[in-house]
Amino acid sequence: EAGVAQSPRYKIIEKRQSVAFWCNPISGHATLYWYQQILGQGPKLLIQFQNNGVVDDSQLPKDRFSAERLKGVDSTLKIQPAKLEDSAVYLCASSSWTQTPEAFFGQGTRLTVV
Amino acid sequence: SQQGEEDPQALSIQEGENATMNCSYKTSINNLQWYRQNSGRGLVHLILIRSNEREKHSGRLRVTLDTSKKSSSLLITASRAADTASYFCATDEGNKLVFGAGTILRVKS
Repeated sequence: EAGVAQSPRYKIIEKRQSVAFWCNPISGHATLYWYQQILGQGPKLLIQFQNNGVVDDSQLPKDRFSAERLKGVDSTLKIQPAKLEDSAVYLCASSSWTQTPEAFFGQGTRLTVV
Repeated sequence: SQQGEEDPQALSIQEGENATMNCSYKTSINNLQWYRQNSGRGLVHLILIRSNEREKHSGRLRVTLDTSKKSSSLLITASRAADTASYFCATDEGNKLVFGAGTILRVKS
């Protein structure tokens, strides 16, 4: 089966610019996660979708971050405007949850804000 | 929030030795998972243990779970250079999948 696809792999932007990341989960997976992983730290959950509804977005900085999941499939994560501290790897993952909570991760997008 | 806390933060061993990593968590859980992350890559699921299980094996991996102490351990036996990676535990906090800070394992050949 195809894995979780993310794009772009790398992105360099200046502070105050905007950026968007895209994720295509494994077909049939109802649960989709966006994590932020700062160098040397564990993944921090930003937002979790169940189909196209939000399960949790308590750690999403909503003044600058937004995410949507269209038709319960693909998802985009946007940052506007970016700050230096947003430099991190943004990981997308999906799971079927109801069958098994195992999450499958994409390769991630490495964002550098300069 | 990060539910799991791994210990040690970093571990360096010789090839062929065993590696043990520990994870502690705060709230009650339904299951606990362990993931591996190679440098610059996404996370890969290794093993899941449910709250009613005490021990589970998968190849060279052995996971234990002590719900009374809210802790788990991951043992990698006969380590190889290819085991060099970061290892994370993850717990289901409510319906969320929450990761710890991870243990960096270096296996020297």
